[in-house]
Amino acid sequence: SQQGEEDPQALSIQEGENATMNCSYKTSINNLQWYRQNSGRGLVHLILIRSNEREKHSGRLRVTLDTSKKSSSLLITASRAADTASYFCATFQAGTALIFGKGTTLSVSS
Amino acid sequence: NAGVTQTPKFQVLKTGQSMTLQCAQDMNHNSMYWYRQDPGMGLRLIYYSASEGTTDKGEVPNGYNVSRLNKREFSLRLESAAPSQTSVYFCASRNPTGNTEAFFGQGTRLTVV
Repeated sequence: SQQGEEDPQALSIQEGENATMNCSYKTSINNLQWYRQNSGRGLVHLILIRSNEREKHSGRLRVTLDTSKKSSSLLITASRAADTASYFCATFQAGTALIFGKGTTLSVSS
Repeated sequence: NAGVTQTPKFQVLKTGQSMTLQCAQDMNHNSMYWYRQDPGMGLRLIYYSASEGTTDKGEVPNGYNVSRLNKREFSLRLESAAPSQTSVYFCASRNPTGNTEAFFGQGTRLTVV
């Protein structure tokens, strides 16, 4: 079964608002990654957080990781219409492959 | 620098036909992956190749075979296509050393009728 589960499945917000997506996973990991997919396109890497890190920032993105709860969150601040996309978390264990969750579909309206 | 290239982009097959999806990367990555994406299911791993000469099953390998032809190329074969294999297929590659991200192709949209 899939490693990560994102919550919520869908999120609709207005431009300028913040968007928060959560990811839960099942086993120990080396790192957790977030990807973005625009409709009909391939996935693009956003940010990676190592298992020994608790928080990481990249531009308007903020990722947290709680390994004790096996969960992560992605915060997009001051959302724009161009942020409309699906967002996936993916976990990686050494010796295996990246395993993805089912994704959160974000819709940002202007 | 092309990254990960998948061919074809679109394909329609009849049930029982066979075909091979091609994937090539020019980033000198050791690891390559095949995923399928279905509505509401996210990406599910079909097969992966941790390094040239090795392949391993993922979550949904039934009905598929793979070949790691060389370091650059990783193909996915459907020997006898079924309607349940209608999906969007993505190839990805990454450098397995350290904490690194995966790079994805643009996908192959396959319809089996």
